[in-house]
Order: sequence, then C-alpha cells, then structure tokens
Amino acid sequence: AQSVTQLGSHVSVSEGALVLLRCNYSSSVPPYLFWYVQYPNQGLQLLLKYTSAATLVKGINGFEAEFKKSETSFHLTKPSAHMSDAAEYFCAVRALFKTIFGAGTRLFVKA
Amino acid sequence: GAVVSQHPSWVICKSGTSVKIECRSLDFQATTMFWYRQFPKQSLMLMATSNEGSKATYEQGVEKDKFLINHASLTLSTLTVTSAHPEDSSFYICSAIGLAGGNEQFFGPGTRLTVL
Repeated sequence: AQSVTQLGSHVSVSEGALVLLRCNYSSSVPPYLFWYVQYPNQGLQLLLKYTSAATLVKGINGFEAEFKKSETSFHLTKPSAHMSDAAEYFCAVRALFKTIFGAGTRLFVKA
Repeated sequence: GAVVSQHPSWVICKSGTSVKIECRSLDFQATTMFWYRQFPKQSLMLMATSNEGSKATYEQGVEKDKFLINHASLTLSTLTVTSAHPEDSSFYICSAIGLAGGNEQFFGPGTRLTVL
C-alpha cells in the first residue's frame, strides 16, 4: 500500500523568499510522484511529476522537486515566491494504478 | 494537454433527490476514470475507479449503492449520488488516464454539490 505525508498544513513565506513544501511517501513498489496545485473552487493542475527518470524534476511556474529514495521524500521548492503562488498544494503518489493524495499544504505569500 | 470536463460545475438539490455528474475526456479516450470527493479544506479522497465497460471498484467505506458509477464509453463516466443528503455535500472531482497510457492523470474542474 502507498501513503503520502505532507508536513505542515500551512506554510507562510514572504514574497521573494524560498518556498519549501515537504512530502514524504511510502510505497510497496517503485512509485510515480506528483505535485499538484489547486486554486479555490477549481480542479487540480499538475506542477511536476517524477517517473523514474531524473531525480531532480523541473515543473511549471519555476517549481522543482527532488526525489530522494533514501529519505522517501519528494519536497517541492521554488527559489522566489510570488503572490500568485498562494494556493493549496498536494503531493501524490501513484502505484498499482491508484493515486493517493497527501492532506495538502496551503501556501500563504506575504507582501 | 488533455482536457477533462465535468458537468455541471455546481448543483444545488433537495435532500432525497438524485444527482448525476458527468465526466468527459474531450480529446482523448480514457480507459480508466477515477472519482474523488473533497471536503472543505481537506484532501482528495478516492471514491472509486472505473474502467470502460466494467463495474467500478469502490474504495473501502464508499457505498456503491449510494454512489452509482457508470463508464459506458471511452469518453464518458457518470457519478450518480442517489437519495442525496446534506452530508453528501462536497466537491466531486473526476480524473482520467488515456488509452496511450503514461503516468499522468488529467483532472476535471470539479463539481460542487450542495444538498439542502
């Protein structure tokens, strides 16, 4: 079985500061890992995905994530936060044809 | 990228009525579709997985007689909430994986259901 843990339900950063959203996973088989962003009352938008190729994955809007098997982590980062980055972020693991989502982290960006 | 649509985008109904939500893959054929529900400020919870032409597989704790799923074609899946009650009020999101396979699920924009 697989599971996802996102550390921190809320993260607050200043505009221009580093964004770090944490995600740890467990999976009985090699997983695919994803980060999604959700704006209020909208569906999910894929930010980036790891599919067993490069461990450092670059996504849209300047986000990237690094797959660390030894740490079972897939943390999301962005060097410089923008006001438009304020949203809910979900880490997800897909294995055995099923995608499981973490609880989500709400990112606040202060001016 | 591939597009998944949902209809309606929001619906309000009276308690005891049934509501049907459609999920369509607009520019690809979806072998597998998933239905999720999301309560306010919570994550997405997988309700069921459906494959075209076969019965849906429901997650533990999801009542299959309450949430009827039909995946009649490669581009359409429907979720019917039968005899809806206020506790069924939620945001329902579908997603699809295409015939071409790959690893990405494409998500619909969601349907907000409010049961009075």
